[in-house]
Amino acid sequence: KAGVTQTPRYLIKTRGQQVTLSCSPISGHRSVSWYQQTPGQGLQFLFEYFSETQRNKGNFPGRFSGRQFSNSRSEMNVSTLELGDSALYLCASSEGAIQETQYFGPGTRLLVL
Amino acid sequence: GEDVEQSLFLSVREGDSSVINCTYTDSSSTYLYWYKQEPGAGLQLLTYIFSNMDMKQDQRLTVLLNKKDKHLSLRIADTQTGDSAIYFCAESMLTGGGNKLTFGTGTQLKVEL
Repeated sequence: KAGVTQTPRYLIKTRGQQVTLSCSPISGHRSVSWYQQTPGQGLQFLFEYFSETQRNKGNFPGRFSGRQFSNSRSEMNVSTLELGDSALYLCASSEGAIQETQYFGPGTRLLVL
Repeated sequence: GEDVEQSLFLSVREGDSSVINCTYTDSSSTYLYWYKQEPGAGLQLLTYIFSNMDMKQDQRLTVLLNKKDKHLSLRIADTQTGDSAIYFCAESMLTGGGNKLTFGTGTQLKVEL
């Protein structure tokens, strides 16, 4: 099976803009989770989607949002970008049961100028 | 509380064993994971252990779990230069539902010739 894919791999934006990142899970996986990785804060959980519904959410402002489509592909959106949003955004998929093992994609590296 | 701690850096000689340690604070953790991250890449799942186990061995990897002390370790036998990377431990908890992982700060392993 193909692994988790994320697009784009690299992105440069300016403050105030918005960005949409995409994640395609492993075939058959129904859960998609998003994480933010920064040198200062490490790896932090953003949110998880299962069957097109948000099942869990981390402590991020409302500027961070996501959605999941019927084919389990997921997108996350960040509006009104700030310099501090520069990070590696990682997507992970799992089959869907609670506490299933998560498999990560290569990430999207976002730079906000 | 949700707090996973790791030492930041470990240096070993090629052929020696590496031991990476992790402590966690949430006794409701049921699965504990080890992920590897190489420069510019996503997270690669190495192994995991269920909380009712003491030990798990998988080829060169041995995971030890001391639930009383909330201590997890990853031993890599016959460490090779290709093992140089950052290693993250992560816990999956029942609280909050879904598939949220809480990660440690990561341990950078450097393998010297």
